[in-house]
Amino acid sequence: QKEVEQNSGPLSVPEGAIASLNCTYSDRGSQSFFWYRQYSGKSPELIMSIYSNGDKEDGRFTAQLNKASQYVSLLIRDSQPSDSATYLCAVNMESNFGNEKLTFGTGTRLTIIP
Amino acid sequence: ETGVTQTPRHLVMGMTNKKSLKCEQHLGHNAMYWYKQSAKKPLELMFVYNFKEQTENNSVPSRFSPECPNSSHLFLHLHTLQPEDSALYLCASSQEGNRGRETQYFGPGTRLLVL
Repeated sequence: QKEVEQNSGPLSVPEGAIASLNCTYSDRGSQSFFWYRQYSGKSPELIMSIYSNGDKEDGRFTAQLNKASQYVSLLIRDSQPSDSATYLCAVNMESNFGNEKLTFGTGTRLTIIP
Repeated sequence: ETGVTQTPRHLVMGMTNKKSLKCEQHLGHNAMYWYKQSAKKPLELMFVYNFKEQTENNSVPSRFSPECPNSSHLFLHLHTLQPEDSALYLCASSQEGNRGRETQYFGPGTRLLVL
């Protein structure tokens, strides 16, 4: 069974601090990785995508990928109360039908404390 | 607003009812997806349509029947559902052809309650 694992949280971080969200995946052949943010009662929205080992920065967000360790993380700098949401890690894996399909983790619920 | 719309946004139905969920994407994408999101479970991929052809069916019970008349519209027909089918049903679309780097854009979802 190909899986994506996340700590469900809740993760509480003081406002202004760095929030660190982690994700591991089982398919060593995966090449594409995504972080989605989902506010309560809303649908997921894409925050970051990353395809190569190393760091990718976009504003206050940094995605980190280590394919050898099968690990991807999301750092949020200068955390704001508006960052409080569930963060979903998604990894492209080969499906039973031989296609690429996105496999999601259960999500980590993040709360930023003012 | 992501360019993917879903109707209805909320639906309550009995186990003997028949209803349909509708999804429309205005992004010019060629692939559409149905996902189920239940509490404390990962998003579950149900069906994938690529250029109107179904390419994935992840062991979904036959009481869920998808229909994709064109690349912009996707339906999920529901009949004789069970209470455990209550969930948020999300539609997504993407532009296939970039070797797995396609971003999926989600609609707002339909919150379904089966009584």
